[in-house]
Amino acid sequence: DQQVKQNSPSLSVQEGRISILNCDYTNSMFDYFLWYKKYPAEGPTFLISISSIKDKNEDGRFTVFLNKSAKHLSLHIVPSQPGDSAVYFCAASNPHTGGGNKLTFGTGTQLKVEL
Amino acid sequence: DGGITQSPKYLFRKEGQNVTLSCEQNLNHDAMYWYRQDPGQGLRLIYYSQIVNDFQKGDIAEGYSVSREKKESFPLTVTSAQKNPTAFYLCASSIGTLQPQHFGDGTRLSIL
Repeated sequence: DQQVKQNSPSLSVQEGRISILNCDYTNSMFDYFLWYKKYPAEGPTFLISISSIKDKNEDGRFTVFLNKSAKHLSLHIVPSQPGDSAVYFCAASNPHTGGGNKLTFGTGTQLKVEL
Repeated sequence: DGGITQSPKYLFRKEGQNVTLSCEQNLNHDAMYWYRQDPGQGLRLIYYSQIVNDFQKGDIAEGYSVSREKKESFPLTVTSAQKNPTAFYLCASSIGTLQPQHFGDGTRLSIL
């Protein structure tokens, strides 16, 4: 049962344009969400997070939007740069179940930013 | 520099052997985690530890064991009972709940 879903395995965007990566979740108990970026043969790097009390969080070129009613979040990257080409993972947790900070990951979206 | 160190980067194991993957952090984080990544899949949680001398099974703990004798260290043993051990293993740590996990650069384990 995939509780966190990234339905687009890949996305191609031109340099300077907006990249929008999407993530859906099924567990209504999730209330903390994160985006990670991963290059091949490296560990994921934390990008940005959002808790369920917010619907938007912004950090530089990265903005995460959360729609709790739709159980959907998205990551916007503006403007996209070639160095943004990587796999992006969405992750979610429910810190209040006694399981600490266990994360459930999506399967990732490969972003390619073309010149 | 503070961070998480995983070693070795590549590891080969003969069938029937146990092998231990190292994970050390100097971030003073209380919680540590082990994940496994297979091609085309997300990360799946193997074990996690919220404090020293305590750890819990994650979603795919069968065939693995861990220890947490020191705050800085959380080694993972892949036992011969793990039927499909070939994967990319990632260790992470976090300071607490509602805080992001920070990852090491991983160990790729292959079976000879």
